[in-house]
Amino acid sequence: EVQLVQSGAEVRKPGESLRISCTTSTHNFNTYWIAWVRQLPGRGLEWMGRIDPSDSDVDYSPSFEGHVIFAVDKSSTTAYLQWSSLKASDTAIYYCARLVDGSYGDIDLWGQGTLVTVSS
Amino acid sequence: DVVMTQSPLSLPVTLGHPASISCRSSQSLVYSDGNIYLSWFQQRPGQSPRRLIYQLSNRDSGVPDRFSGSGSGTDFTLRISRVEAADVGVYYCMQGTWWPWTFGQGTKVEIK
Repeated sequence: EVQLVQSGAEVRKPGESLRISCTTSTHNFNTYWIAWVRQLPGRGLEWMGRIDPSDSDVDYSPSFEGHVIFAVDKSSTTAYLQWSSLKASDTAIYYCARLVDGSYGDIDLWGQGTLVTVSS
Repeated sequence: DVVMTQSPLSLPVTLGHPASISCRSSQSLVYSDGNIYLSWFQQRPGQSPRRLIYQLSNRDSGVPDRFSGSGSGTDFTLRISRVEAADVGVYYCMQGTWWPWTFGQGTKVEIK
């Protein structure tokens, strides 16, 4: 069964940095773009952006550009979402997802989600 | 950005009865290849989203045929022919034609 496995829940203080991960071992990592999606507490889904694992080409949604960084490590078939300075408003569940094709938005697989809590 | 507007936002349904969710986009979702990249996702309580329908009307493997997607241009519909208890959750439409891709606000389906 194809899976995306995300790292566990995190608690941080405002201003701290964080990196969460999304790993797959069951499909060709270079073949499928990875997307990141945010879900604020009790709210809907928001696109954050996408990354092409084959060359690390990245597109950020305007709302998130400059505040997060996407990265990949091909050797460990892992995608990362990272913050250098968290805000309380970053408290949310973050999902990685697999895109059928990076040219258009069509998700066929989701990770289980990582809950990030930012609180002083 | 393309705005996706779902209605209703809350949908109380009777078991065994049909249900319908509407999704409208602020511009046509026909992609340059002629396809419409409109998907429907189901998010059950405490779970990740799960794709039900892709490219307007294609049902994912394992999705009951009670679910169907239709529409054209800017108006789209997800139908459940006979609601079951397992269908409780939030349903989202999503457009993947225009970057940045966007989701609808979600429709919460609950049993009366």
